[in-house]
Amino acid sequence: AQSVTQLDSQVPVFEEAPVELRCNYSSSVSVYLFWYVQYPNQGLQLLLKYLSGSTLVESINGFEAEFNKSQTSFHLRKPSVHISDTAEYFCAVSNSGGSNYKLTFGKGTLLTVNP
Amino acid sequence: NAGVTQTPKFQVLKTGQSMTLQCAQDMNHEYMSWYRQDPGMGLRLIHYSVGAGITDQGEVPNGYNVSRSTTEDFPLRLLSAAPSQTSVYFCASSYYPSSGANVLTFGAGSRLTVL
Repeated sequence: AQSVTQLDSQVPVFEEAPVELRCNYSSSVSVYLFWYVQYPNQGLQLLLKYLSGSTLVESINGFEAEFNKSQTSFHLRKPSVHISDTAEYFCAVSNSGGSNYKLTFGKGTLLTVNP
Repeated sequence: NAGVTQTPKFQVLKTGQSMTLQCAQDMNHEYMSWYRQDPGMGLRLIHYSVGAGITDQGEVPNGYNVSRSTTEDFPLRLLSAAPSQTSVYFCASSYYPSSGANVLTFGAGSRLTVL
């Protein structure tokens, strides 16, 4: 069975500060990893994903995440956040083979960017 | 292109009442699923379908029924609502399994309150 742990339930930061949202996973097989973002009163949107290849993946709005197999982590980072980045962020994992339909989500990290 | 459309957006029920949450997608996605989101719990999979006529249970299926008679629609039925079913419900779809990884597109959500 897989599991995802998001180590911080809330992360308050000031605008233009760097941020790291931490995600650790547990799985006995190879995995795909995802970060989804949920803006207030909206559904979730895919932010970025790691399927294979380069362990550093980037989003179009400046976020990046690095797959670290030895530490079973997929932390999300941004060097300078904006007010508009205020949202809840969910890390998710699935198997990379076989019946990999099932995504297991973490409990979410609420990022609040203050002026 | 509407994506994933959920109706209603808000609903209040009394204990014991029944209702159906509607979900429709216009992307010809094979995979459709229902999640519930509760504070501090992340997203939990209720039911899913990998194609018309095929459905299966997720991790929290009790109290919910689904059917998939067409590719486009995946309604979620509550036969006898209970206060424990107060939650925000999300429908999500994807090209899985043809795409390899299950990259979900989410609807905007349906907020259900059971009194």
